[in-house]
Amino acid sequence: AQSVTQLGSHVSVSEGALVLLRCNYSSSVPPYLFWYVQYPNQGLQLLLKYTSAATLVKGINGFEAEFKKSETSFHLTKPSAHMSDAAEYFCAVSALKNAGNMLTFGGGTRLMVKP
Amino acid sequence: DAEITQSPRHKITETGRQVTLACHQTWNHNNMFWYRQDLGHGLRLIHYSYGVHDTNKGEVSDGYSVSRSNTEDLPLTLESAASSQTSVYFCASSESRGFMSTEAFFGQGTRLTVV
Repeated sequence: AQSVTQLGSHVSVSEGALVLLRCNYSSSVPPYLFWYVQYPNQGLQLLLKYTSAATLVKGINGFEAEFKKSETSFHLTKPSAHMSDAAEYFCAVSALKNAGNMLTFGGGTRLMVKP
Repeated sequence: DAEITQSPRHKITETGRQVTLACHQTWNHNNMFWYRQDLGHGLRLIHYSYGVHDTNKGEVSDGYSVSRSNTEDLPLTLESAASSQTSVYFCASSESRGFMSTEAFFGQGTRLTVV
């Protein structure tokens, strides 16, 4: 079984400030981890993914995340927030079943950016 | 360009009616998934398919069914719509690559209201 917990359903930062969105996972097998972003009235778009290569993963729009096995965490960061980063962010873990895979999502974190 | 499309984008239906939501992908992906998105719950898996004629129940499958007669389509049917099924529904697809986990591509979503 696998699960994802995102701490903080709402996070507010000022423009130019550090963005930190927290994600902790549990998985009975080595996990694959993903961060997705959802803009209003749109589907989910992949930000970045961890697939057992480098533990520090760089994604689109200046985001990155670090896989820490000892802490079972995969927190998402961005050094300087931009107004366009306001969106909902989802952390997800993948389990492999047979030849396929499915994603288990966290509850999401809505990021608000203040001018 | 390959894509995944959902129709309709918005639907209002009455309690007890049968409703079918369409999902069509041109990625030629073997894996297809249906999720529902509700406030505070993130995305929860309804049904999934790893190939033609393969279907599996997800976390919240009661009251829903799917069928996979070809690679491109995975329609989701609500047998008898209930108010608890008011939600935003997302279809996703991903490629099978043995034991490697691959990213999922999402449709734009269907907002379903059951009155």
